[in-house]
Amino acid sequence: EAEVAQSPRYKITEKSQAVAFWCDPISGHATLYWYRQILGQGPELLVQFQDESVVDDSQLPKDRFSAERLKGVDSTLKIQPAELGDSAMYLCASSLDHVSSYEQYFGPGTRLTVT
Amino acid sequence: AQSVTQLGSHVSVSEGALVLLRCNYSSSVPPYLFWYVQYPNQGLQLLLKYTTGATLVKGINGFEAEFKKSETSFHLTKPSAHMSDAAEYFCAVRPPMEYGNKLVFGAGTILRVKS
Repeated sequence: EAEVAQSPRYKITEKSQAVAFWCDPISGHATLYWYRQILGQGPELLVQFQDESVVDDSQLPKDRFSAERLKGVDSTLKIQPAELGDSAMYLCASSLDHVSSYEQYFGPGTRLTVT
Repeated sequence: AQSVTQLGSHVSVSEGALVLLRCNYSSSVPPYLFWYVQYPNQGLQLLLKYTTGATLVKGINGFEAEFKKSETSFHLTKPSAHMSDAAEYFCAVRPPMEYGNKLVFGAGTILRVKS
């Protein structure tokens, strides 16, 4: 069964350092989502791509976060510099397209700890 | 704007007992509704969804949920809890496609199953 892949699964970094997460969606899925899940809360959408274009990044802290999906396939989310409050689980999800976006398939996530 | 309220951050049931996880939503248009399950350090897995049609929806692992428009609720139930049901459950809402496709999650309910 096709799955969304994410790496690394765990990342510990010091504040002010740069960190990057990678996501490979299910093959053929045009829409890709990055979510942040703070402990004790539900996931919150950070950015949504349709192919290589950003369609929603309203909740992305653009002063330190960036995301790209250059070829419309895999994607990278970067934080620079990391802050203590960035400690969270970062989830990637994909769906066939924005029309069927209710069928979102999630990866295992990257748990980030900032010290 | 849409929002989701999950009543009870923690629910504890005995094995074999009824599971009831509560979800209420706020939406200006009839929404699509979802329940996801998350096991420790894993991504989210879709349990079931309501889009249109029959208001009682059945999902995986014996779970079901009923959409009650008059009560703006979408409670999740399972007749008999199993130890393997212990996990965190998230209710989510999104508007019909023509109004956007952003998923909004509740804060989650941790289900504990006692032997």
